[in-house]
Amino acid sequence: EDQVTQSPEALRLQEGESSSLNCSYTVSGLRGLFWYRQDPGKGPEFLFTLYSAGEEKEKERLKATLTKKESFLHITAPKPEDSATYLCAVNTDKLIFGTGTRLQVFP
Amino acid sequence: NAGVTQTPKFQVLKTGQSMTLQCAQDMNHEYMSWYRQDPGMGLRLIHYSVGAGITDQGEVPNGYNVSRSTTEDFPLRLLSAAPSQTSVYFCASRNWDSQTQYFGPGTRLLVL
Repeated sequence: EDQVTQSPEALRLQEGESSSLNCSYTVSGLRGLFWYRQDPGKGPEFLFTLYSAGEEKEKERLKATLTKKESFLHITAPKPEDSATYLCAVNTDKLIFGTGTRLQVFP
Repeated sequence: NAGVTQTPKFQVLKTGQSMTLQCAQDMNHEYMSWYRQDPGMGLRLIHYSVGAGITDQGEVPNGYNVSRSTTEDFPLRLLSAAPSQTSVYFCASRNWDSQTQYFGPGTRLLVL
């Protein structure tokens, strides 16, 4: 059965303390992996799409990487405004979402 | 562009009542879909449409109906609301040649 697992469920960081969020997946036929950011009371906002192992994408303090079994969202020197829930989703013949990692960055 | 819009933002229903959640997009996207988001679970696909006049079921379609008479609009209907349908509902759209979905702000539904 296709499955997407995100870890940790929650992460508290001090401002400037870099860390990584993990998205592991077991699917048959990956057609793309997506990262979204979701703020409280809002819809998910698209961040990145990765298609093949070894691919990397960057946006400001965020960098997403992909291997054959997992993806990482690296956050470098986070700021309080990076606080949000980060969702991972994989596309097979349908889009399967993980449950997200809730990130809190304190000043 | 307003992107994807949803109304209402919040709704309270009694068991057995019916209602329609509205979704509209102004990006001329062919593909539209409805998801529900529940605590501890990932977003789950309810119904989707690949174009006007074409709809199909997703992962959790029971209790919901959809139609797509125009490219812009994709309403979701609850015919007889149940407490299990208490959730946050998101509409999303994308182009046929892109996998990137754009989400609306959501409708929070409480069924008593």
